Amino acid sequence: KAGVTQTPRYLIKTRGQQVTLSCSPISGHRSVSWYQQTPGQGLQFLFEYFSETQRNKGNFPGRFSGRQFSNSRSEMNVSTLELGDSALYLCASSTAGIDHGYTFGSGTRLTVV
Amino acid sequence: DQQVKQNSPSLSVQEGRISILNCDYTNSMFDYFLWYKKYPAEGPTFLISISSIKDKNEDGRFTVFLNKSAKHLSLHIVPSQPGDSAVYFCAASAFFSTGNQFYFGTGTSLTVIP
Repeated sequence: KAGVTQTPRYLIKTRGQQVTLSCSPISGHRSVSWYQQTPGQGLQFLFEYFSETQRNKGNFPGRFSGRQFSNSRSEMNVSTLELGDSALYLCASSTAGIDHGYTFGSGTRLTVV
Repeated sequence: DQQVKQNSPSLSVQEGRISILNCDYTNSMFDYFLWYKKYPAEGPTFLISISSIKDKNEDGRFTVFLNKSAKHLSLHIVPSQPGDSAVYFCAASAFFSTGNQFYFGTGTSLTVIP
């Protein structure tokens, strides 16, 4: 079956702009989570959506937001981009069980200049 | 507040030897632990997991050990192969009223030297 698909793979934006990243989970997975990966910081949890509702949220400023559609696809939006937002953004989907944790997408590499 | 810690950012091991990657956690609510492997330009992939009711789980060359009293888990890779060179993340899961929440460590970059 198809994996978790993230688009675009690479993105370059200018400071102050906004950006929208997309994630299509594995068919049947209703939970979608977003993570930010930067060198030395590991994977930092942004938020999780389940059945179109934000279920959990990490410690990121309000500039980071997301949503989930009825088909479980999810988008993440970052407004007023800062240089420090440059990172790999990973989306992961899962079923209700945790035996295999998440299945991750390949990520979107965002560079803010 | 980093609830899951991987204190060694990097590790180098000779091919054929054992690789031991360590992970510490602080929250006693965690009841499930996982290891992920990440190659450059790819998302992390699930490697092996362990429930808090066990202290060891094996899958081929990979074994995870859990010491709940010390809040410590480790991943052993025997024998190490060059293809094992990657960043390894440990993760811990706790169940809250809103569902499972995963917490990741900062990763350990393993280099297996041929």
